Amino acid sequence: NAGVTQTPKFQVLKTGQSMTLQCAQDMNHNSMYWYRQDPGMGLRLIYYSASEGTTDKGEVPNGYNVSRLNKREFSLRLESAAPSQTSVYFCASSHRERGYGYTFGSGTRLTVV
Amino acid sequence: AQSVTQLDSQVPVFEEAPVELRCNYSSSVSVYLFWYVQYPNQGLQLLLKYLSGSTLVKSINGFEAEFNKSQTSFHLRKPSVHISDTAEYFCAVSDQGAQKLVFGQGTRLTINP
Repeated sequence: NAGVTQTPKFQVLKTGQSMTLQCAQDMNHNSMYWYRQDPGMGLRLIYYSASEGTTDKGEVPNGYNVSRLNKREFSLRLESAAPSQTSVYFCASSHRERGYGYTFGSGTRLTVV
Repeated sequence: AQSVTQLDSQVPVFEEAPVELRCNYSSSVSVYLFWYVQYPNQGLQLLLKYLSGSTLVKSINGFEAEFNKSQTSFHLRKPSVHISDTAEYFCAVSDQGAQKLVFGQGTRLTINP
């Protein structure tokens, strides 16, 4: 099983550029999440999708948009990147009936210059 | 809203010494509790979890954590650490019935030979 696959692994953007981070899971999980990880701040929830067709804001949604394309895929879009969005981004998925534990992707390291 | 406090940002210990990583959460309502481990340049992996039942839960690699409802704590312990335990450890909590996890700030465990 591939689990949760994120692409790309690394990206450098210029301020104002846009990009989409891709995430796909092959575990038939209902819920998917996007987190960002910054030093000393742990993981902060950007957006989540409890099920196909639904999305909700998390703790730090400003500057981001998401699309739950189907049950497998959940993308995160930065419309106009800012240096404050330099971070490591993690996608995760979970299945309600399996104890709420998350499976994480390996992350995307994004630098905005 | 739930919050999680990991009381130590860094914990240096010698190999084969015992270690305790501390975690407190804010709410006394029924919760699910998790510890995740992140090895360098990797995503997070589930280490152990408490959902219900016995308050002492164990991982396959010798870690254990005890749920203490009165003190709203879920401290992680290992009686003898190995160099390979060097990683960052995250405590996380969700309210029962909720799917979102709230993460602590992380504790970096460094093992010295």
